[in-house]
Amino acid sequence: EDQVTQSPEALRLQEGESSSLNCSYTVSGLRGLFWYRQDPGKGPEFLFTLYSAGEEKEKERLKATLTKKESFLHITAPKPEDSATYLCAVQVYNQGGKLIFGQGTELSVKP
Amino acid sequence: GAVVSQHPSWVICKSGTSVKIECRSLDFQATTMFWYRQFPKQSLMLMATSNEGSKATYEQGVEKDKFLINHASLTLSTLTVTSAHPEDSSFYICSMDRGDEQYFGPGTRLTVT
Repeated sequence: EDQVTQSPEALRLQEGESSSLNCSYTVSGLRGLFWYRQDPGKGPEFLFTLYSAGEEKEKERLKATLTKKESFLHITAPKPEDSATYLCAVQVYNQGGKLIFGQGTELSVKP
Repeated sequence: GAVVSQHPSWVICKSGTSVKIECRSLDFQATTMFWYRQFPKQSLMLMATSNEGSKATYEQGVEKDKFLINHASLTLSTLTVTSAHPEDSSFYICSMDRGDEQYFGPGTRLTVT
């Protein structure tokens, strides 16, 4: 069974304190791994798609990396406005493009 | 990024009534659309996948006669919750496939009293 596990469930950081979020996956054939940000009461906001081990993508203070078993979302010098739930999802070959989500990591950045 | 809208953003209805939720893409055409449900403090769970012009494919455990999906065009999909009950209260979110990216709508909060 295809599975996605995110850790930690919650993370509290001080402003400027860099850290990483983890997304471990077990799938039959990875087509892509997606990262989203979700604010309370809103739909997920697309951040990155990664396709192959070794791939990295960056956007402002965020950097996503991918290995054959997991992905990391690195947050460098976070600001309070980075507080949100970060969701990881995988897309598997031959499953019509649907996304399988992890439980998310709730990030809180205090000033 | 692409823009996906949903209407209404929130709705309160009485038990036994039906509710229709619309999902529109405003700046691209999507042959495939997805409907997800999210309960408080939980992640998104896929309900069904719809392709324009064909019947939706429902995930295991999702009642197709209760959650009616119509993919009317390349820019519009609707989800109708029929004979709603309090346990159907949730956050419903649509998404659309655009090449290598999948964009989500802002969600619809459904409360059934």
